[in-house]
Amino acid sequence: GQQLNQSPQSMFIQEGEDVSMNCTSSSIFNTWLWYKQDPGEGPVLLIALYKAGELTSNGRLTAQFGITRKDSFLNISASIPSDVGIYFCAGPQPDSGGSNYKLTFGKGTLLTVNP
Amino acid sequence: NAGVMQNPRHLVRRRGQEARLRCSPMKGHSHVYWYRQLPEEGLKFMVYLQKENIIDESGMPKERFSAEFPKEGPSILRIQQVVRGDSAAYFCASNRGNTEAFFGQGTRLTVV
Repeated sequence: GQQLNQSPQSMFIQEGEDVSMNCTSSSIFNTWLWYKQDPGEGPVLLIALYKAGELTSNGRLTAQFGITRKDSFLNISASIPSDVGIYFCAGPQPDSGGSNYKLTFGKGTLLTVNP
Repeated sequence: NAGVMQNPRHLVRRRGQEARLRCSPMKGHSHVYWYRQLPEEGLKFMVYLQKENIIDESGMPKERFSAEFPKEGPSILRIQQVVRGDSAAYFCASNRGNTEAFFGQGTRLTVV
């Protein structure tokens, strides 16, 4: 089945630093989604990307949909302590008919921000 | 304007018991999805339901697991005769159809 490979697995950074993480797949995705999960909570959608090459921002977050449609990256600028959490990339499985309901998730990048 | 409500938040069951996980979707949402998250893993799709119908259960284990979304009341994920390997966080999400799905806070099941 489809797999999404996220890197790095974990990151330890100082408050104020910029962060970059990415997600790759061996197969093409038509939608890329980036979620954040706080400890003990459910995932919250940060950014959705629908078009190859698309670059989208949400505050200090920026994500891009790779031209090959097999990768995506997420950048966080000027990190703050509340950025701590697990960041997941996700995309719809091919047999979901283009709907986003049946998502494949990566294993996540654990971000720790030292104040 | 409550979000997706899941209960209980934490559930402990002995091996062989039954676990019932409840999910009340957001107001106006008639589509519900269940995902399972094992420790240090991403979420894995289990089942997609609309009111009174199972649309896609391709991610559900063939035995012991069942899901329903009755006309009235919450969606229920039922696990019979639980085993240690069922220990995980179970998340429910809901939406109106092909729109953004919102996740609940999850139920953390521990089988002892």
